[in-house]
Amino acid sequence: DGGITQSPKYLFRKEGQNVTLSCEQNLNHDAMYWYRQDPGQGLRLIYYSQIVNDFQKGDIAEGYSVSREKKESFPLTVTSAQKNPTAFYLCASDPGDPGTQYFGPGTRLLVL
Amino acid sequence: GQNIDQPTEMTATEGAIVQINCTYQTSGFNGLFWYQQHAGEAPTFLSYNVLDGLEEKGRFSSFLSRSKGYSYLLLKELQMKDSASYLCAVTDSNYQLIWGAGTKLIIKP
Repeated sequence: DGGITQSPKYLFRKEGQNVTLSCEQNLNHDAMYWYRQDPGQGLRLIYYSQIVNDFQKGDIAEGYSVSREKKESFPLTVTSAQKNPTAFYLCASDPGDPGTQYFGPGTRLLVL
Repeated sequence: GQNIDQPTEMTATEGAIVQINCTYQTSGFNGLFWYQQHAGEAPTFLSYNVLDGLEEKGRFSSFLSRSKGYSYLLLKELQMKDSASYLCAVTDSNYQLIWGAGTKLIIKP
């Protein structure tokens, strides 16, 4: 089955720790996105990538980093510089039409 | 700035009809999307409008007026499984998706 997978489903971060959220897709999509969702708010774009080895900052990139070494993979690292990381993180991809995005199941990040 | 407004929460009765409104102000317009998101899950695509008018898809319909910066999602014959948040999103002149905060729809028996 084609789709997007994210892991883990829940992730706990200690103070000062970097953590990495995984996102893999087998849809052969060029574009991939990372969003953050807080309660009562819409999706906010962290980073996006239109092609391998290239990515762009979104609206709230500070405290996050990404890489795009393979078409299928777009991992997100939440660094210790992100002071309020508790949120629901969603990875998405699209086949070249930016609106029709396909989402992974999400990772909920909690701070210990 | 860019802005999308939706009601925060709506309540409706099973079997009834509900209309969820969305107004937008964006730099350019290349389409409006509605997504459904159940609690704790990822959004799923519902509809897409780029031209004025009504698009119907089963129990769900979506309307767009570009001159008014306005859209609505109409849900008919409501079922309990329709309890979810409904997200309005617009692609701007750079083809970036701008998301509304979502409308939480509560269905009562």
